[in-house]
Parts: sequence; structure tokens; C-alpha cells
Amino acid sequence: NAGVTQTPKFQVLKTGQSMTLQCAQDMNHNSMYWYRQDPGMGLRLIYYSASEGTTDKGEVPNGYNVSRLNKREFSLRLESAAPSQTSVYFCAVLLPGLTVYSSYNEQFFGPGTRLTVL
Amino acid sequence: DAKTTQPNSMESNEEEPVHLPCNHSTISGTDYIHWYRQLPSQGPEYVIHGLTSNVNNRMASLAIAEDRKSSTLILHRATLRDAAVYYCILTKSGSARQLTFGSGTQLTVLP
Repeated sequence: NAGVTQTPKFQVLKTGQSMTLQCAQDMNHNSMYWYRQDPGMGLRLIYYSASEGTTDKGEVPNGYNVSRLNKREFSLRLESAAPSQTSVYFCAVLLPGLTVYSSYNEQFFGPGTRLTVL
Repeated sequence: DAKTTQPNSMESNEEEPVHLPCNHSTISGTDYIHWYRQLPSQGPEYVIHGLTSNVNNRMASLAIAEDRKSSTLILHRATLRDAAVYYCILTKSGSARQLTFGSGTQLTVLP
């Protein structure tokens, strides 16, 4: 997970509270992703950003907003947290030299943020 | 989208080879086959990918059936550190927008 950091590592929220999950990379990648992983399940894409200033919805975007203000950082915001958003959140970046239009797909993942909403 | 089918779990003895199967009978001609793994409490980690030919890298080998309807990830000598969930994922040519993870295969390595 070198080069991709996520903060915080753990967070407990009450229903209705808001928070922002931060992801930062120091490897100068263009494309970044936010996934969630529920217990015993595979990862599902929430949002992705092909490049600085652009974002697109993934499979499960409802209840989330994202921001890609610069190349290095991609943040995920929960405006009004719900228990259904209890999950582990992973940020990922696409291998340098690839784009979202590339033929294969190698992503580096961060260590994750474990979020519990009570 | 083409789907993949993997066994829920497999066991292997340490220092023995492991063959992890994946069925993808509806694969299209330009779909790439990727394998990722997820160690406990970590994010997924890229292992290998291929299109038609068998592939080798420092981590593993990927054997792809001639009709491409199945593939096998081969770990040549399993170590305790290889205990993880292994995901077989198809991606469309020209589209690196997302990885679609199924439930994967939980590999247990016995000492």
C-alpha cells in the first residue's frame, strides 16, 4: 500500500452525522477510485475520477459525494450517515501509464477506513 | 457483463503448489482476466492478468483454457503469507473504469 494513504483508519458515527474520508497518493497517478466492502462481500465501486477535476458514479453512489480538487487527493463525503453505510472503504489508484480507457486494469489499494454508523 | 464462478474456499499445505480455478463461460473475446488477492485486514493486491496466453510473473502463473471459458491461478509454492481471498475478475477491453469483485476464494494454507 505504499504511496496511497487513507485517513482516518477507524471512525464511529451516529446516524445523521457527516464526515469526509480522505485519500492521498504521492505517485502522480491520474485515475483514482473509491470502493466499499461490506462484511463477507467483494468490493463495490462508489465513485471514480479519471483525472483531476473529473468524477463519475460507480455501482453504488447513493448517499455519497466526492471531490477531486487536485491530482493528489480524492475525498469521499457522507452528508448524512446511515447504518447501511457501515463498511470498510478503500481508495485505489490506477497504475501509471494506464487510463480508464486502457485494456487492462491494475490498481493499487490503500489500507482502508473502517466506518461504523450507529 | 460476463460473470466469474469460483469455489468459496480451498485448502493447501505449505510449500505445495496451489491451483485456484475460475469459470467464466460467458467471457467475450476482448475481456481480460485479472486476479487480485486480499490479505486479512488489507486492501486488495494485484496478482496477475492475461488475455489468451498463459502468463508468469514473480507472484504466480495464470493458465488460460484454449476456449477461454476458464482459467487457473497457480501459486507454485504456497506459504502462510499466501492465505487470502483470491478474486478472479473480468474487465472489458478499453475500459479500466472499475473492477467488479465477486466473493472470491478463501485460501487457507496449512503449516
